[in-house]
Amino acid sequence: GQQVMQIPQYQHVQEGEDFTTYCNSSTTLSNIQWYKQRPGGHPVFLIQLVKSGEVKKQKRLTFQFGEAKKNSSLHITATQTTDVGTYFCAGTIQAGTALIFGKGTTLSVSS
Amino acid sequence: EADIYQTPRYLVIGTGKKITLECSQTMGHDKMYWYQQDPGMELHLIHYSYGVNSTEKGDLSSESTVSRIRTEHFPLTLESARPSHTSQYLCASSERYNSPLHFGNGTRLTVT
Repeated sequence: GQQVMQIPQYQHVQEGEDFTTYCNSSTTLSNIQWYKQRPGGHPVFLIQLVKSGEVKKQKRLTFQFGEAKKNSSLHITATQTTDVGTYFCAGTIQAGTALIFGKGTTLSVSS
Repeated sequence: EADIYQTPRYLVIGTGKKITLECSQTMGHDKMYWYQQDPGMELHLIHYSYGVNSTEKGDLSSESTVSRIRTEHFPLTLESARPSHTSQYLCASSERYNSPLHFGNGTRLTVT
């Protein structure tokens, strides 16, 4: 069954507003990865977090990994129309096993 | 630039036909995966391989089969296509267990 939960499923914002998607697991994750999938495209790797409490930034994107390594978030500051797409988190529950993807958050941005 | 290639990009086929979806990567990755994804929906892992002659079923029950005879090649076969198989099939590879996945462009399959 689904072990990595992601919310919200959909989010619509006005251009310039902030956006956050959250990822939660019932078990400790060894690492978490974030992907972006543009409409009609394939998922593209954004970042990987490994350490407890880790925070990484990519321009307007901020990624966090919780202290207990059970949750993560992606925050976009001042969204742009180019941010449109579905953002997936994916975690490894156990070393040596395949990634488990969340259901994704689909972001739409109106100008 | 694409280092992982999937063919065909689109396929429309009748019920009962046998089809093979091709996936090849030039990165020398040991780990390869097949995901099934309906438009705008979550990714379901259907098969994976950790190396030559190694294949495992994923979380989603699938009537497809895979083979891994060469490191670079990981084809997926449907012996008898059904309308319920209509979906997008994404192939991916990674260098190590926890490494980022590199996805192909996908095959959009429609079974009529």
